[in-house]
Amino acid sequence: TQLLEQSPQFLSIQEGENLTVYCNSSSVFSSLQWYRQEPGEGPVLLVTVVTGGEVKKLKRLTFQFGDARKDSSLHITAAQPGDTGLYLCAGATSGTYKYIFGTGTRLKVLA
Amino acid sequence: DTGVSQDPRHKITKRGQNVTFRCDPISEHNRLYWYRQTLGQGPEFLTYFQNEAQLEKSRLLSDRFSAERPKGSFSTLEIQRTEQGDSAMYLCASTNMYREALLSTDTQYFGPGTRLTVL
Repeated sequence: TQLLEQSPQFLSIQEGENLTVYCNSSSVFSSLQWYRQEPGEGPVLLVTVVTGGEVKKLKRLTFQFGDARKDSSLHITAAQPGDTGLYLCAGATSGTYKYIFGTGTRLKVLA
Repeated sequence: DTGVSQDPRHKITKRGQNVTFRCDPISEHNRLYWYRQTLGQGPEFLTYFQNEAQLEKSRLLSDRFSAERPKGSFSTLEIQRTEQGDSAMYLCASTNMYREALLSTDTQYFGPGTRLTVL
């Protein structure tokens, strides 16, 4: 069974602080995605990474895929209250057409 | 708005009753997924369709669950003889696999979900 563990599970920080969320697995993924989900809504895709060691930036968000494609991280610089939400990573293995979601990190940014 | 829509948004039912949810994917999306999400957890894959064909079902999908996509457009998820453990958010997502392959992306577009509460 493929498992994606995210850490931390909960994070409460002040506006302006930096943070990193981790997504780890013992499985190798062909691609990995990060989503943000707000209460009462479905997840919204932030980024897809496919190459080991790949780094992608989306404004204040930096995503990295591990060299061995088993782990990933999401770094947020100068967090804002609008960043509050549930952050989910999801990995797909080669030859499959479904993503396995991680356990989630609930972020709260206080003004 | 041409996003994925789900109906109803909320459903409260008594244990033992049957419920049916509907998902309308984005037009021309040939792949449709169903997920279940419990509070504080990530979505769990249930099943997916390519056009009208159901290609994979999770072991989470017991014989009380059935999904259909009869014309390759909208899909329904039915739960028979509901149990309290079925209480969750049921999410639908769709994608156009050919477009995503051309763009070298793999985006699933999620609907807002149907929140089921079984009393």
